[in-house]
Amino acid sequence: ETGVTQSPTHLIKTRGQQVTLRCSSQSGHNTVSWYQQALGQGPQFIFQYYREEENGRGNFPPRFSGLQFPNYSSELNVNALELDDSALYLCASSDRDRGRGTEAFFGQGTRLTVV
Amino acid sequence: AQTVTQSQPEMSVQEAETVTLSCTYDTSESDYYLFWYKQPPSRQMILVIRQEAYKQQNATENRFSVNFQKAAKSFSLKISDSQLGDAAMYFCAVDSNYQLIWGAGTKLIIKP
Repeated sequence: ETGVTQSPTHLIKTRGQQVTLRCSSQSGHNTVSWYQQALGQGPQFIFQYYREEENGRGNFPPRFSGLQFPNYSSELNVNALELDDSALYLCASSDRDRGRGTEAFFGQGTRLTVV
Repeated sequence: AQTVTQSQPEMSVQEAETVTLSCTYDTSESDYYLFWYKQPPSRQMILVIRQEAYKQQNATENRFSVNFQKAAKSFSLKISDSQLGDAAMYFCAVDSNYQLIWGAGTKLIIKP
């Protein structure tokens, strides 16, 4: 078990709605990365927050937005949900100050279903 | 752009035997890190092993070892003495500017 907690674990939303997913980072970690994992595929990088600032973004539209709080927990917000947004959303916590290659610890993910 | 390819959607191995999972990647960076992660049905990604590109020695973690061929951009994972608990999806990933670029995964089935 890692110290990374995601909530909720499952969620069903209607197309067009908005959703907020939450992630608590592991103690001592200053970086949170979000990934989208569609069924049967590998994760895709959405964005990363380092010390409350967005620090890198993947190929996702602006309706995917995020936030990192002073305690380094994070939120992922998705507006105007589309059916293709149905996926497992993974949060990864790490300490970027330790340099590249440092281990990222993952939560158990939030399974989002858009109907 | 960095890419990671896992050509084996599914592999099966007899318990206690050895299995090798393949991974090839493409990157323009000279220094990078490579990872193998395991994702059991619980969905939580767990780090299996990592390799720093400038280190020629292959990484080893107990029953898990890698065959890193930098020139060929190949990074395979060998699991020795396979156990039932090794059954999971295995993902290869490359670190690109603190982001992980992932392959599509290989489902590993352990036959008792």
